[in-house]
Amino acid sequence: QSALTQPASVSGSPGQSITISCTGSNSDIGDSDFVSWYQQHPGKAPKLLLYGVRERPSRDSDRFSGSKSGNTASLTISGLRAEDEADYYCCSFSSKSTSVFGTGTKVTVL
Amino acid sequence: EVQLLESGGNLVQPGGSLRLSCTASGFTSDFPFSSFAMSWVRQAPGRELEWVSSLNGRGARTFYADSVRGRFTISRDNTENTLYLHMTSLRAADTGVYYCARTGEGVHYSRWFPNWFEPWGQGTLVTVSS
Repeated sequence: QSALTQPASVSGSPGQSITISCTGSNSDIGDSDFVSWYQQHPGKAPKLLLYGVRERPSRDSDRFSGSKSGNTASLTISGLRAEDEADYYCCSFSSKSTSVFGTGTKVTVL
Repeated sequence: EVQLLESGGNLVQPGGSLRLSCTASGFTSDFPFSSFAMSWVRQAPGRELEWVSSLNGRGARTFYADSVRGRFTISRDNTENTLYLHMTSLRAADTGVYYCARTGEGVHYSRWFPNWFEPWGQGTLVTVSS
């Protein structure tokens, strides 16, 4: 199965809010609320930010929020900080391939 | 704090085999290593993450991506807190960093799937090239 579709890049100024979309199909995002999001800094391992569309695993993720509408999930980063500059990946249950990741989005803090 | 450390990555020729290991530490007696599903996720150079394989806590149920089914075997030794990935018939497309990750279990329409991955190890590089 093809990866979920994310914008290649999103940018914002410190303090702003940005939103990253993740578009799939009726076989994955549209079929359940099992969407998770990961942050990956260059050369580092990914880190879980959200699961179950909007559940936060820790307080470290307070500025990150999630939502879903139809076949598209979204991650919003509030109060953008320099340390938020990283790659972000969505991931979803898939009835075709068990689990599928998104294409990834590079966030740049201007 | 749970920590995962992968090893075994190497340069291998197409058609060759390799076994990756992931040693886990920091699990408690209330929530031991054997109580968690584990997974392998890989990332080709400059590319997105790709789920490879998962298995449940006891290791009795295994799941594979279509791209590796029949070539890769996931297993675990709960007495040694270690996860393995045995890879055969390797191809250039298998090149990448392989991460192991503790996995949250989900069930949807009676079908098991990995719900989340956290934490992740630092990864081990597999290069398939002649």
